[in-house]
Amino acid sequence: AQTVTQSQPEMSVQEAETVTLSCTYDTSESDYYLFWYKQPPSRQMILVIRQEAYKQQNATENRFSVNFQKAAKSFSLKISDSQLGDAAMYFCAYRRGAQKLVFGQGTRLTINP
Amino acid sequence: DGGITQSPKYLFRKEGQNVTLSCEQNLNHDAMYWYRQDPGQGLRLIYYSQIVNDFQKGDIAEGYSVSREKKESFPLTVTSAQKNPTAFYLCASSVAHAGGETQYFGPGTRLLVL
Repeated sequence: AQTVTQSQPEMSVQEAETVTLSCTYDTSESDYYLFWYKQPPSRQMILVIRQEAYKQQNATENRFSVNFQKAAKSFSLKISDSQLGDAAMYFCAYRRGAQKLVFGQGTRLTINP
Repeated sequence: DGGITQSPKYLFRKEGQNVTLSCEQNLNHDAMYWYRQDPGQGLRLIYYSQIVNDFQKGDIAEGYSVSREKKESFPLTVTSAQKNPTAFYLCASSVAHAGGETQYFGPGTRLLVL
């Protein structure tokens, strides 16, 4: 079964600085999708960014970018110019085909003003 | 506005009682999902539906039931057989049940046992 591991239960960063959240996954497949979701205190899950495994180019969405290392099965999220509104739980997720979306345990990100 | 609504925001259940959580979407999505989130953990799939009048069990379906009579609605019933129902429940939908499709989430319902 596929597993997703987020090894950092908590992270903190100074406002305006850059932070990287780690995610590794276990799969024997070559075609799949990876996602980062944000869960702020309101608890609604919001998609931050997604990556198709067949694409070598790393996905970018404004201040959010990923470092996708397919051979290493690593999918880290970089947040640049951190803002107070970025404080949330961040979940990494994996999905292949019509299988279920598999979530990691989450990383709680704190932004220090 | 297009989106997913869940009600109620908070729900209290007495011992032996069945309760139903509502999930409605106006995104015209075919696929809908129910997840459970426990403190400090990720989401676990309870049930999903790819199309009206069809649904499949997820990883933790025991003690739960669903129906999909309309495309826009996917209610979840927590039955008395679910012995530990206290959790945060999230409903999601996507255009189709396929790997690359983004799942959009509702605001969630917190269920507490009295």
